[in-house]
Amino acid sequence: AQSVTQLGSHVSVSEGALVLLRCNYSSSVPPYLFWYVQYPNQGLQLLLKYTTGATLVKGINGFEAEFKKSETSFHLTKPSAHMSDAAEYFCARKGGSEKLVFGKGTKLTVNP
Amino acid sequence: DTGVSQDPRHKITKRGQNVTFRCDPISEHNRLYWYRQTLGQGPEFLTYFQNEAQLEKSRLLSDRFSAERPKGSFSTLEIQRTEQGDSAMYLCASSSGRLEAFFGQGTRLTVV
Repeated sequence: AQSVTQLGSHVSVSEGALVLLRCNYSSSVPPYLFWYVQYPNQGLQLLLKYTTGATLVKGINGFEAEFKKSETSFHLTKPSAHMSDAAEYFCARKGGSEKLVFGKGTKLTVNP
Repeated sequence: DTGVSQDPRHKITKRGQNVTFRCDPISEHNRLYWYRQTLGQGPEFLTYFQNEAQLEKSRLLSDRFSAERPKGSFSTLEIQRTEQGDSAMYLCASSSGRLEAFFGQGTRLTVV
């Protein structure tokens, strides 16, 4: 089954530190990949997406992600964490169907 | 553009009762999706409409669940004879046929 794996259900960083959230996908064909952010009791907001072309994708709020086909990865990074980045982050893929397949999510905590 | 709107935001119901949720997509979007999210998990696909046609349904959508999108505008999701396992956040999303989907804030269902 085609799936999305997020390594680490909880990540904690200090304010100003690098944020790295990991996502690996399994797919027989290159998928479309997405990162969404969810604040408590809210819906999901799209951070960025990879379709084709440039493998380094920039999103909102200073986040970016790099598509690495050889590693089947799409890790999310931000050079300097801000308190407002504390939320849950979901990696998702779409391929061969209209539906999004999500990972289980990574909860990011930012410590002052 | 007011975004995807879901109503109600919260619903508490007794086991065995029927509940209905409504989703109003972004006005020009012809695709509409329902997802379910349980605690600590990523959203799981339930069903997808293109205009008024329901084109894909998940195995998660048991015969107690029914979704409609009359006239290709708003959609309703009904759960009959609710069970405690139905407690979850129900998310609606819409898209214009481009890759990204935009999510509403969700309806949190609690079955007691």
